[in-house]
Amino acid sequence: DIQMTQSPSSLSASVGDRVTITCQASQDISNYLNWYQQKPGKAPKLLIYDASNLETGVPSRFSGSGSGTDFTFTISSLQPEDIATYYCQQYDNLPRYTFGQGTKLEIK
Amino acid sequence: EVQLVESGGGLVQPGGSLRLSCAASGFTFSSYWMSWVRQAPGKGLEWVANIKQDGSEKYYVDSVKGRFTISRDNAKNSLYLQMNSLRAEDTAVYYCARPVVGSIDYWGQGTLVTVSS
Repeated sequence: DIQMTQSPSSLSASVGDRVTITCQASQDISNYLNWYQQKPGKAPKLLIYDASNLETGVPSRFSGSGSGTDFTFTISSLQPEDIATYYCQQYDNLPRYTFGQGTKLEIK
Repeated sequence: EVQLVESGGGLVQPGGSLRLSCAASGFTFSSYWMSWVRQAPGKGLEWVANIKQDGSEKYYVDSVKGRFTISRDNAKNSLYLQMNSLRAEDTAVYYCARPVVGSIDYWGQGTLVTVSS
């Protein structure tokens, strides 16, 4: 089974800060990686697909990069509405998926 | 507008059964794989099961194999999850979801399943 290790598990940052979250796969998954945002009490929302593609309607301050085993998710300038938990998800072994443990992002 | 509406959650005793339903609308249901994803209270997301468009292929996370069954009725635009031999660790919000080439682009609002005596 492919394991996804996401870090950090929690993060506190100030409005306007650049925020980076990493996700590491236990084996090469090419670019088969997505990033989701989940706000409290809500369903997750797809932000980035195929490692670096921005989903339609998602603000451009969100971005993703990486391939193989190491991936990065970045918010270029943190906004108050970005407070949420972020998850990576791999789909190299479709039709099975694996999610990372999540990163809870808070405002400092 | 794509909508996925789950129902059927509730409180059940350990060892009991429950059937979740998901009513889909706003897209051609029979053209898409469908998924169930769950989230235990205060925990992360866990993929549970997937089913192919015609129901001919089904896949499960190891922890529910032999206990849960995913199914669909394309005539009713509905997805189901039959959960048997429920355990405390199955307590979670269960989301109905629509995957497209590995990415889940639509999620339901979730239904809470609580397994407790």
